[in-house]
Amino acid sequence: NAGVTQTPKFQVLKTGQSMTLQCAQDMNHEYMSWYRQDPGMGLRLIHYSVGAGITDQGEVPNGYNVSRSTTEDFPLRLLSAAPSQTSVYFCASSLAGPAKNIQYFGAGTRLSVL
Amino acid sequence: SQQGEEDPQALSIQEGENATMNCSYKTSINNLQWYRQNSGRGLVHLILIRSNEREKHSGRLRVTLDTSKKSSSLLITASRAADTASYFCATDARETSGSRLTFGEGTQLTVNP
Repeated sequence: NAGVTQTPKFQVLKTGQSMTLQCAQDMNHEYMSWYRQDPGMGLRLIHYSVGAGITDQGEVPNGYNVSRSTTEDFPLRLLSAAPSQTSVYFCASSLAGPAKNIQYFGAGTRLSVL
Repeated sequence: SQQGEEDPQALSIQEGENATMNCSYKTSINNLQWYRQNSGRGLVHLILIRSNEREKHSGRLRVTLDTSKKSSSLLITASRAADTASYFCATDARETSGSRLTFGEGTQLTVNP
């Protein structure tokens, strides 16, 4: 089983560029979320979705957009990249609200903004 | 500070020894989970303990939860070099919508062969 697939694995951007981080899951999970991981700060929630067509903001949503047109896909868009967005980004999914169920994580995307 | 905070930040032990990591949180929770992250990889779920449970076992893992002290511990017995990883606690707080987990900063465990 593929589980949660994130692409690309690595990306270097210049300040001001835009890009989309892709996330796809093949487990028919309703719930998907995006986190960023920075040294010494653990994982912080950016945006999440409880089902197709429904998204909501997490702890650090500024500078990021999401959409959920299908159950399988949950792309994260950086509108105008800034050096502060240099981080490792993880996508995760679960059957229901993660409060009750385990989250399955992708392998991550390492993003550098110069 | 974050809802879940692990202690210690780093732990180095010899193979065969037990490793204990602690997590403290601030608000009432529905449940608490522990995850492991190998270097350069995503997080992997280890165990979930509900607020009405005090102890849970899974293989060499033992998790305790003390809601009166707002703390949890993860014990790994008979550690192996392959247990080298970062370990995170994640809490679901009762005050949130119930659909969001808050992760701590993690404990880096090194098991020396």
